[in-house]
Amino acid sequence: DAGVIQSPRHEVTEMGQEVTLRCKPISGHNSLFWYRQTMMRGLELLIYFNNNVPIDDSGMPEDRFSAKMPNASFSTLKIQPSEPRDSAVYFCASSLGGVDSQEKLFFGSGTQLSVL
Amino acid sequence: KQEVTQIPAALSVPEGENLVLNCSFTDSAIYNLQWFRQDPGKGLTSLLLIQSSQREQTSGRLNASLDKSSGRSTLYIAASQPGDSATYLCAVYTGGFKTIFGAGTRLFVKA
Repeated sequence: DAGVIQSPRHEVTEMGQEVTLRCKPISGHNSLFWYRQTMMRGLELLIYFNNNVPIDDSGMPEDRFSAKMPNASFSTLKIQPSEPRDSAVYFCASSLGGVDSQEKLFFGSGTQLSVL
Repeated sequence: KQEVTQIPAALSVPEGENLVLNCSFTDSAIYNLQWFRQDPGKGLTSLLLIQSSQREQTSGRLNASLDKSSGRSTLYIAASQPGDSATYLCAVYTGGFKTIFGAGTRLFVKA
């Protein structure tokens, strides 16, 4: 398996523009997570899906952020409009698990987002 | 609220030294604990996962222990090598699909 695949690897955009980050989880994994990593705040969980259904989006910082998982092999994280403070590395991760169990988390290589 | 702390924040050791990284968590009600490695500009790689019923896990030169009652875990790296230089993060799974991460320990192994 190719692992968790994220695109793009780098994104540079101007304030106010829409940004869409993409993720393909490992085949067979039933849970998908979006994280954001910054030096100041470390790893923050934004939203997670189980069996394609959003379970908890309380980590999404503002209404400007939205995420979808239309099928088991694809998810998007959208920021509209983007702001400079959104600059960070965004990671997607997937795993096998349920409410009271979880196997290893597998992370993608991340998307480095810079909003100018 | 579960909090995960890693000490030290950074560590520099000479090649060949054995070392221990520490992780503590405030709520012992966890399902498992994972240790991850992160190289600069890369994603996280899971190294070891210890279930709450287990005391330790080993993989090659790595050994992770878990003392759930005291809220502590250690990652032991034997005979460190320059290639071990990276940031090591621990994370606890508290149920409900939530994994809580520590801030990490940045390790530098000098040749």
